[in-house]
Amino acid sequence: GQSLEQPSEVTAVEGAIVQINCTYQTSGFYGLSWYQQHDGGAPTFLSYNALDGLEETGRFSSFLSRSDSYGYLLLQELQMKDSASYFCAVSSISGGYNKLIFGAGTRLAVHP
Amino acid sequence: ETGVTQSPTHLIKTRGQQVTLRCSSQSGHNTVSWYQQALGQGPQFIFQYYREEENGRGNFPPRFSGLQFPNYSSELNVNALELDDSALYLCASSLRTDYGYTFGSGTRLTVV
Repeated sequence: GQSLEQPSEVTAVEGAIVQINCTYQTSGFYGLSWYQQHDGGAPTFLSYNALDGLEETGRFSSFLSRSDSYGYLLLQELQMKDSASYFCAVSSISGGYNKLIFGAGTRLAVHP
Repeated sequence: ETGVTQSPTHLIKTRGQQVTLRCSSQSGHNTVSWYQQALGQGPQFIFQYYREEENGRGNFPPRFSGLQFPNYSSELNVNALELDDSALYLCASSLRTDYGYTFGSGTRLTVV
C-alpha cells in the first residue's frame, strides 16, 4: 500500500524557522511535492523534489532523501500569513499514469 | 491564463440523490484529477482523466464516475449519495508529464 506520515500540528512564532517532516511508503515513487492550503481555500503547489537534496524557493525550502523515504519542508522568517495546512504528496507512477497521493496534513499556527 | 474553476461552490443534497460537479481546467492542461477531502484530512485520490479516458482510479466505488470533454473540462458524478460523501471535492489539472497540479477551490458537498 501507500502511506505518508507527517505531524498533525506545529506551532511557531513570527520570524522563526519551522521544519515539517514527511515519511512515505509507496511503490513507483517519482517525486515528493508540498502543498499549502488555507482554511476554505484550494491546495497551492509550493515545491517538488524528484532527486535527493535541497530545493529552495524564497522563504521555503524542501528536502528529499529517497534512500530514507523522507523529506521535509522548511519555512523561514515565518509570517502570520503562513498559518495554514501543509501537505506532503507523493507522485507515484502506477499503471502508466502519474497520480498524486497526499498525507493527512500538518496544521501550522504562527503566533506573534 | 485562467486557473481551475469549479462549480457549484456549495451544494446540499439528500441521501440517495445523484450529484454532478463541474470543473474547467487551466488553459493548456490535458489531465484532470478529482479528489475528495474530508474535514481535517488530506485530499483522497478519486480518479484521473487524460484524453477523455479514465486512466487511474483510487479506492472509490463505481457510483463515483466522471467524464472529461474535448476542451479538457470535466465532471464528477456521484450516484446514490451517502452521508459519508459529505466533503470538499477538488479538481486538479496538470500536464500529463508535469508534477505540479493546479487545484480549483472545490465544491463543498453536504449530504443530509
